[in-house]
Amino acid sequence: DQQVKQNSPSLSVQEGRISILNCDYTNSMFDYFLWYKKYPAEGPTFLISISSIKDKNEDGRFTVFLNKSAKHLSLHIVPSQPGDSAVYFCAASASGAGSYQLTFGKGTKLSVIP
Amino acid sequence: GAGVSQTPSNKVTEKGKYVELRCDPISGHTALYWYRQSLGQGPEFLIYFQGTGAADDSGLPNDRFFAVRPEGSVSTLKIQRTERGDSAVYLCASRESGANVLTFGAGSRLTVL
Repeated sequence: DQQVKQNSPSLSVQEGRISILNCDYTNSMFDYFLWYKKYPAEGPTFLISISSIKDKNEDGRFTVFLNKSAKHLSLHIVPSQPGDSAVYFCAASASGAGSYQLTFGKGTKLSVIP
Repeated sequence: GAGVSQTPSNKVTEKGKYVELRCDPISGHTALYWYRQSLGQGPEFLIYFQGTGAADDSGLPNDRFFAVRPEGSVSTLKIQRTERGDSAVYLCASRESGANVLTFGAGSRLTVL
């Protein structure tokens, strides 16, 4: 039973255009959401996060949007650059549990075409 | 060190053998996590340490898997009687007290032949 779902295994985008990566979750206890980026043979690297008390968080070219009623979040990258090509994982945690344990989606492989 | 260090980076073993994977977290990080990532999947939680004690081991798949963190810093994941299905990348992460973000190491790729 996947509690965090990334339904697009892959996405190709032209350099300079916007990349939109989507994520859905089912567990209502999740209240903190993160995006990690992973290059081959490296560990996941934290990119951006959002608390459930917000609906948007922006950091440079990266913006995360949260729609709690739909249990949906998205990561927008604009403009996309070839160096953004990686696998992006959506993750969620329930702060009430105290452990900050993350539940991950399966990832979306982003390819930015020069 | 500056980041989370995991050794070995690659381990090939035969079915039935015993394996140890080591994690050296970021200095001062009290929380430590082990995850397993199989091909085409996201990282899956195995176990969480707060200090020396395992606060949550609900993700360990069976009793062949065990982890320790005797001094509250370095952790070792131990797998007995390895099976081909144990082949995966084992990721370690640490977290600073009060923070929400886990910092991951590069992982140990285990291949069981």
